[in-house]
Amino acid sequence: DGGITQSPKYLFRKEGQNVTLSCEQNLNHDAMYWYRQDPGQGLRLIYYSQIVNDFQKGDIAEGYSVSREKKESFPLTVTSAQKNPTAFYLCASSILYRGYEQYFGPGTRLTVT
Amino acid sequence: AQTVTQSQPEMSVQEAETVTLSCTYDTSESDYYLFWYKQPPSRQMILVIRQEAYKQQNATENRFSVNFQKAAKSFSLKISDSQLGDAAMYFCAYRSPNAYSGAGSYQLTFGKGTKLSVIP
Repeated sequence: DGGITQSPKYLFRKEGQNVTLSCEQNLNHDAMYWYRQDPGQGLRLIYYSQIVNDFQKGDIAEGYSVSREKKESFPLTVTSAQKNPTAFYLCASSILYRGYEQYFGPGTRLTVT
Repeated sequence: AQTVTQSQPEMSVQEAETVTLSCTYDTSESDYYLFWYKQPPSRQMILVIRQEAYKQQNATENRFSVNFQKAAKSFSLKISDSQLGDAAMYFCAYRSPNAYSGAGSYQLTFGKGTKLSVIP
């Protein structure tokens, strides 16, 4: 089955530690995205990538980093510089050209204490 | 920059009745795409319906339809014959048409969502 996988579903970390969230897709999509979702805030774009080895900052990139070494994979690292990392993180992918919708993974709930 | 506003944080509807969720947006572009996504308690985002701005005909998908008013920059979602499984957060989203018109131009801009409850 084609789709997007994110692991793990729940992640717990101590403050000051970096943590990497996984996102894998087998839809052969060029573009991939990371969103953060907080209660009452909707979804906000962290980073996106159009092609392997290239990515761009979204609206709230501070304290996050990404890599895109393979078309299928777009991991997100939440660094210790992120001041409020506890949130729900969603990965998405899409065909790059006009009008195509984004498909979302099941998300990862990160709790930092 | 584009903005998307959903003015109803919460709505409720009786099972089998009809409900309309509102969405307005601000843009200077003439060609763009609008989406409604559903997020049930599982938190999986599911595409409900898509509208292309250059098409005057309102999109429909089974019990879901939109009222797209381009001049008013309004994009409401109508759910007919509401079912218990329709209970979810609903997000309106805007996307620019051209992936190459500038950095981030094909990203989605989301509203803050409307929580829909269905009463048995």
